[in-house]
Formats: sequence, C-alpha cells, structure tokens
Amino acid sequence: ETGVTQSPTHLIKTRGQQVTLRCSSQSGHNTVSWYQQALGQGPQFIFQYYREEENGRGNFPPRFSGLQFPNYSSELNVNALELDDSALYLCASSLERGEKLFFGSGTQLSVL
Amino acid sequence: GNSVTQMEGPVTLSEEAFLTINCTYTATGYPSLFWYVQYPGEGLQLLLKATKADDKGSNKGFEATYRKETTSFHLEKGSVQVSDSAVYFCALLEGGSYIPTFGRGTSLIVHP
Repeated sequence: ETGVTQSPTHLIKTRGQQVTLRCSSQSGHNTVSWYQQALGQGPQFIFQYYREEENGRGNFPPRFSGLQFPNYSSELNVNALELDDSALYLCASSLERGEKLFFGSGTQLSVL
Repeated sequence: GNSVTQMEGPVTLSEEAFLTINCTYTATGYPSLFWYVQYPGEGLQLLLKATKADDKGSNKGFEATYRKETTSFHLEKGSVQVSDSAVYFCALLEGGSYIPTFGRGTSLIVHP
C-alpha cells in the first residue's frame, strides 16, 4: 500500500508566477485536504475535496484553487504568487471525510 | 470559532527526562482531540487521540487525557528518547465537522 506522495518536493518561483502542486492520495482514500504550513506555524487549512467536489474552504483568496481527479489524486494551483506564499504545502488524504488523516511529506515552495 | 493553544517551544530535555507539552482548546461543542508528530523532513503523523471527556489516548509511551473542565489535552511521556525529537501538534475536530484545527506546534529537542 503506497502512502500519500507529493510532487515536486521543492520549488522556487518568482512573484507573480503561477504554480501547480500535485498529490497522490493513499489507495482507496476519497478525501484530500490541502494545508499551508509557514515556518514555525501549524498547518492552515486551504480546502478539502471529497469525491471530486470541494467540501470546505479555509480563509484563502480565490487565487488558491484546486482540483480532484476521478482517481482521487489532486492538484493545488496558486496564481499571482506573493512572497508570503512561501511555505510548506501539505496534502493529506483520508478514507472518508472526518477520518484519520494521512499526510504527505509536503512541497516546499519558495517565492522570490 | 475553534482554536488550539500550545506552549511555546523549543522544549529541550535530556534523554530519560519527563515530558509535558501543554495544549488548551476553545470549541463550541464537544470536539475530538488529537496529537500529531512531525519528524524532520516528513509530513504529520497521528500520534494519539481522544474522542470524549476523561478519555486517555496513548501510543509509543505518550499519553494525553481529555480534560473538559480545564479544556486541556496535555501530552506526557515518562522517559523521552533522542528519537522523540520532533515537532508536536495538538488539534481538535468539532463534532459534525470534517476539518481539524491545528495548534502552532511545539518543537521538542532531546539531548543524549
């Protein structure tokens, strides 16, 4: 059974650019959540997808958008990158909504 | 709204010392409570949980008791090891919600 995998592991972008982060959920998991973790902070909830539909959204602007595919893998897209978007982006999958979260190792995004 | 407050880190201990990491919460209902651990370069892993008042969660020598009267869920371990060095996150999940709220994390450093 493979765990949650995220790609890429590290990424450097410049302000104003766009970025796409990818997440493969654990086998059989239909729910994917994305979190932003700034240095020294706890994970902040961005949004959750359940069976390809957005199921909840945190306090993030619309330039943060997402997608979940029929195989339940997911993408996080961020447009018009800002310096404050520099953070570790974590993906977590669960068998069902509200059940145990399994986290990937994250994508470290640096915006210069 | 819901919130989780953890003690500031880093917590620095010698091997075999007793560990306490404080966590208090604010919630409108009766949440489930969790401790997650994040080892360097990895995502978060569920360490233990408790779903109702007076429940004790335990795993790998760590324990935490759900105290409704003090709205607390302090993490304890009787004898820490160097391999316990990590960042520990307290979290809550409100009943009926699918989205956990995380604290900002407490770094633990254990010296030989």
